[in-house]
Amino acid sequence: ETGVTQSPTHLIKTRGQQVTLRCSSQSGHNTVSWYQQALGQGPQFIFQYYREEENGRGNFPPRFSGLQFPNYSSELNVNALELDDSALYLCASSLPSSGTLSHEQYFGPGTRLTVT
Amino acid sequence: AQSVTQLDSQVPVFEEAPVELRCNYSSSVSVYLFWYVQYPNQGLQLLLKYLSGSTLVKGINGFEAEFNKSQTSFHLRKPSVHISDTAEYFCAVSLISSGSARQLTFGSGTQLTVLP
Repeated sequence: ETGVTQSPTHLIKTRGQQVTLRCSSQSGHNTVSWYQQALGQGPQFIFQYYREEENGRGNFPPRFSGLQFPNYSSELNVNALELDDSALYLCASSLPSSGTLSHEQYFGPGTRLTVT
Repeated sequence: AQSVTQLDSQVPVFEEAPVELRCNYSSSVSVYLFWYVQYPNQGLQLLLKYLSGSTLVKGINGFEAEFNKSQTSFHLRKPSVHISDTAEYFCAVSLISSGSARQLTFGSGTQLTVLP
């Protein structure tokens, strides 16, 4: 059984650019969530995808968008990058969206984004 | 809205001593509770969870936590710590009646440093 994987590990972008981060969910998990973890803080929920549709969103502007594919992998896209977007971006997967176990989320290693 | 407060941002403790990391939450509805551990430059690893049943839950690496509904607390304990326990620890909640999105709300984290 493979865990959650993310790519790339690190990347550096310039303010105003666009970035795409990728995530492959754990085997058997069809729900993917994305979190932003700024330095020295706890992760903040960005959004969640289930059955290729966004089914929940945190307090993030529309320039943060995502996709989920039929194989349950996911992308996080951020347009018009700002310096404050520098953070560790974490992807988490979970079981189908029903029942107690659907609340357990399993995290990938993250992508460290630096915006200069 | 729900919130999580981790009362100590840093906890230094000597090796083989006991430790308690405190977590309090606020929510208008019932929640599930989680502790995650984050080692340097890594993602989050699920340490333990309270979903139902006994209020004393045991997790990996010898950690345990007790859910206290009246005090809205979920403190993490370990009777004897090791150098390898040095890491950032995050408490998180998930609303039981959150609708379709299983969103985790995290505290700001507690840095546990085990001293030789």
